[in-house]
Amino acid sequence: DAGVIQSPRHEVTEMGQEVTLRCKPISGHDYLFWYRQTMMRGLELLIYFNNNVPIDDSGMPEDRFSAKMPNASFSTLKIQPSEPRDSAVYFCASSERRTAYGYTFGSGTRLTVV
Amino acid sequence: EDQVTQSPEALRLQEGESSSLNCSYTVSGLRGLFWYRQDPGKGPEFLFTLYSAGEEKEKERLKATLTKKESFLHITAPKPEDSATYLCAVQATSGSRLTFGEGTQLTVNP
Repeated sequence: DAGVIQSPRHEVTEMGQEVTLRCKPISGHDYLFWYRQTMMRGLELLIYFNNNVPIDDSGMPEDRFSAKMPNASFSTLKIQPSEPRDSAVYFCASSERRTAYGYTFGSGTRLTVV
Repeated sequence: EDQVTQSPEALRLQEGESSSLNCSYTVSGLRGLFWYRQDPGKGPEFLFTLYSAGEEKEKERLKATLTKKESFLHITAPKPEDSATYLCAVQATSGSRLTFGEGTQLTVNP
């Protein structure tokens, strides 16, 4: 398996623009997680899905952030409008049977908002 | 609220110099404690899961142990390729999310 695949790897955008991050989880994994990593706050959970249904979005910073999982093999995290403070590395992770075997993380998307 | 504190923030070792990383946690019922390794520019890589006090897991030069309040990651005779950030995370019985600590950045000099 190719692992969790995220795109793009790097994104530079101007403040106010819409940004869409993409994730393809490992086939057969029924949980998908979106995390954000910064130097100041470390790894923070934004939202997670179980069987394509959002379960907990309490970590989503504000209404500018939205996430979808239209099917078992694809998820998006959208920021509209983007702000400089959104600059971070965004990770997608997937797992099966909750977290008994740990999450498998993607390589992340480094987002820079100027 | 679940909390995870790792120490030290950074650790420099000479090759072969054994040491331990600490992870202190508070959680309302522990389902599991996880250790991950993260290399620069990459996502965290799963190392171990520990479920109950007294449990130990080993992988090559790494051994993780768990008590009711903390976990240790022991590194025996480290090599430069062990240099990375090591992250600790907890999962409560009440949910599926992992709460991560800030990590310990380990550098092993040859």
